[in-house]
This record gives sequence, structure tokens and C-alpha cells, in this order.
Amino acid sequence: DAGVTQSPTHLIKTRGQHVTLRCSPISGHKSVSWYQQVLGQGPQFIFQYYEKEERGRGNFPDRFSARQFPNYSSELNVNALLLGDSALYLCASSYGTVNTEAFFGQGTRLTVV
Amino acid sequence: DQQVKQNSPSLSVQEGRISILNCDYTNSMFDYFLWYKKYPAEGPTFLISISSIKDKNEDGRFTVFLNKSAKHLSLHIVPSQPGDSAVYFCAALEYGNKLVFGAGTILRVKS
Repeated sequence: DAGVTQSPTHLIKTRGQHVTLRCSPISGHKSVSWYQQVLGQGPQFIFQYYEKEERGRGNFPDRFSARQFPNYSSELNVNALLLGDSALYLCASSYGTVNTEAFFGQGTRLTVV
Repeated sequence: DQQVKQNSPSLSVQEGRISILNCDYTNSMFDYFLWYKKYPAEGPTFLISISSIKDKNEDGRFTVFLNKSAKHLSLHIVPSQPGDSAVYFCAALEYGNKLVFGAGTILRVKS
């Protein structure tokens, strides 16, 4: 069985650009959460989506948005990129809304120059 | 304001000995805790968890202890193996859906 898959694995963007990151959850999982991990820190919660609805939002600016599709895959969009947005973006999937055992993808390493 | 703290950035242990990783939290509303292990270029992997109604949970070489009055939990790995070398994250579940992570502890197991 495939685990959580994220694409792309790496990308480099310029300040002010827009980026879209993609995540496919484990088959049968209906919840996708996004996290940002800056070097030297633990992952920080950005969003949770369940059944295509936003169920939680972390302390991130409105430049960050996400959506979930009918097949439960998800996109994270970041507009007007800043240097500080450089980080590893992690997607986690779980069956329900309660994340007592969330499974993470390998992440997308975003570098903003 | 960090609600979950891992005060030891790194820990070095001899193979076969016990590794003890510590974690403190400040929010008394947290009622479920998890430990994740992360290798470079991979996402975090779930290791073990504990509910606040328990004070201990074991899974093979891994045991997690929870001291609610002290708002402290620890992960014990016995015996430690070189393959255990990784970054270990402590996390607390908030509102049932949001994981609040500590900054991580780098464990090095020397052979």
C-alpha cells in the first residue's frame, strides 16, 4: 500500500511568487493536515481538512490557503512568497478528524530566494 | 510561546544502553501525547503514544511515561541500537486534530 505521497520533493521559488504543493493521503484516509517545519524547530500546524472542509487552522497569514478534493488529495497554496517561507512542508493523513495516529509524507523542501 | 518543550537538543548513548528522551508541556488541556522519529529526507514516523488516563505505555523496546502533575513525559528506548539514531519529536494533541510539536532531540547511538 502506498503511504502519504507529496509532490514535488524539492523546489526553488523567488520572493513574491506563488507555490502549490500537493499531497495524496493513504488510501481510505479522509483527513489531511499540513505542517511547516523550519530548520531547528518542530513541525507547526497550518491546516486540517476533512471531507473537503477546513476543520482547523494554525497561526499562519492569509497568504496560506489549502483545499481538499473529492478523492481526498489536497493542495497547499502560498502566495507572495517570503524568504521566511523556506521550510519543509509536511502533509499528514489520518482516517478521521482525530489525529491519534497521523501518518506523514516525506515532505516538500521549499527554498525561497 | 512554546507549549511543548524538549530541552535537550541532542543526546549520545552507547549501543545496548538505555536512551531517555524528555519532554515538558505547559497546557493542562492536552490529553494525548505522541512520539515521532524522523530520519533525514523522510517525514516523521509515528512511534508510540499515550493517553492522559494512563501513566505508562509499552511497545517492544519503546516505553513512554507520563507524569501529569509535573506535565512531563519521557520516552525510554531499551536497548538502544545504532538504527535508532534520528531526531525524536514529542507532540501533544490539541482539540483532537492539531499536533503541537516540540523542537526535537537528536539521538546518536554509538556502536
